[in-house]
Amino acid sequence: EIVLTQSPGTLSLSAGERATLSCRASQSVSSNYFAWYQQKPGQAPRLLIYGASSGATGVPDRFSGSGSGTDFTLTISRLEPEDFAIYFCQQYGSSPRTFGQGTKVEIK
Amino acid sequence: QVQLLESGGSVVQPGRSLRLSCAASGFTFSSYGMHWVRQAPGKGLEWVAGISHDGNTKLYADSVKGQITISRDNSKNTMYLQMNSLRVEDSAVYYCATGNTVGTQRPHDSWGQGTLVTVSS
Repeated sequence: EIVLTQSPGTLSLSAGERATLSCRASQSVSSNYFAWYQQKPGQAPRLLIYGASSGATGVPDRFSGSGSGTDFTLTISRLEPEDFAIYFCQQYGSSPRTFGQGTKVEIK
Repeated sequence: QVQLLESGGSVVQPGRSLRLSCAASGFTFSSYGMHWVRQAPGKGLEWVAGISHDGNTKLYADSVKGQITISRDNSKNTMYLQMNSLRVEDSAVYYCATGNTVGTQRPHDSWGQGTLVTVSS
């Protein structure tokens, strides 16, 4: 099983700032089958990034993903008020599909 | 527009069984693998099980193997999760989500709103 470790656990930032979230895998992720999701309180997760760097439909271009192998990054270029949420990474290249434990982006 | 609607969640006693359903619409259900993902209160996401588009391949998390069965009925555009011998630690919101299309590895593009299972005496 591939274990995903996200850092930091909580990120305290102000609107307009840049957010950088990291996710490290315990072994190489197959063919960059790697995704990021956003979850707001009381809502289902929403796909943001797939294939490590491809934006899902309707996702603003301030969200970008990068990385390969075992190290992946989600960057939010300028935080908007609606971006304060919890972000999860996931690998979907091997079974079981696994998620990171989440990074909370909170208002400073 | 893709819609996934879970149902069947309730409060049950430990040791009892429960069947969850996920009704799909707005896409060609029979072309998509489907998954169940759960989230315990205040916790992260845990992938539980997945089933191929034709129902022939079923995968389970180690934590639920032997306890949970995933199935689907493509004629009804519905996926199911049969949960037996429920434990307190199975309490969670259970989401259904889309997965692979035929020949293409996909993340969970679409999610339902979730159904709450509470296991308590």
